Amino acid sequence: SQTIHQWPATLVQPVGSPLSLECTVEGTSNPNLYWYRQAAGRGLQLLFYSVGIGQISSEVPQNLSASRPQDRQFILSSKKLLLSDSGFYLCAWSRQGEQPQHFGDGTRLSIL
Amino acid sequence: DQQVKQNSPSLSVQEGRISILNCDYTNSMFDYFLWYKKYPAEGPTFLISISSIKDKNEDGRFTVFLNKSAKHLSLHIVPSQPGDSAVYFCAARGTSGTYKYIFGTGTRLKVLA
Repeated sequence: SQTIHQWPATLVQPVGSPLSLECTVEGTSNPNLYWYRQAAGRGLQLLFYSVGIGQISSEVPQNLSASRPQDRQFILSSKKLLLSDSGFYLCAWSRQGEQPQHFGDGTRLSIL
Repeated sequence: DQQVKQNSPSLSVQEGRISILNCDYTNSMFDYFLWYKKYPAEGPTFLISISSIKDKNEDGRFTVFLNKSAKHLSLHIVPSQPGDSAVYFCAARGTSGTYKYIFGTGTRLKVLA
């Protein structure tokens, strides 16, 4: 069966510090990978998605970036965090076609 | 502009009764719809989906109805159980072949024992 791992579960970072959140998927190959953010009281906002190694599509302009160095690894990064980057970050994967996305347990990011 | 709307932020239902969660969308090009359930401090869990070529899909206690003319879908849970208490998100996918899913803001369901 497939599993998705996301870490850390919680993170507190000062403004201006860098960020690296990692997500890995097991039990499948060539998955589509996604990063979402859920701000307080809002729905899930798609940040990035990837259909293959090195292929990243960005949905919203921001100071975050994503990379996919391996088939089942997806990394969300920032060089300098802003207060507005606080939120709940979720990684997800899916197969091709009309397939649902399966989510990790998320990272609660607080910026001080 | 919110393309997928869940206008009820919360809903309380008695155990054993029917829970009906509603979702409206604005884009007639959406062709695939999903419902997710989310517990606190966890990621959303996929519940049920429906393609735009259907108007109903059933899986156990969960049934999703799609009314394309009204751009409305609903999730029915019968009978409701206390373990169903969670936040429910509906999501819609854009034109076929894209990977972008647009989520509603969620409805918090509380099933009272």
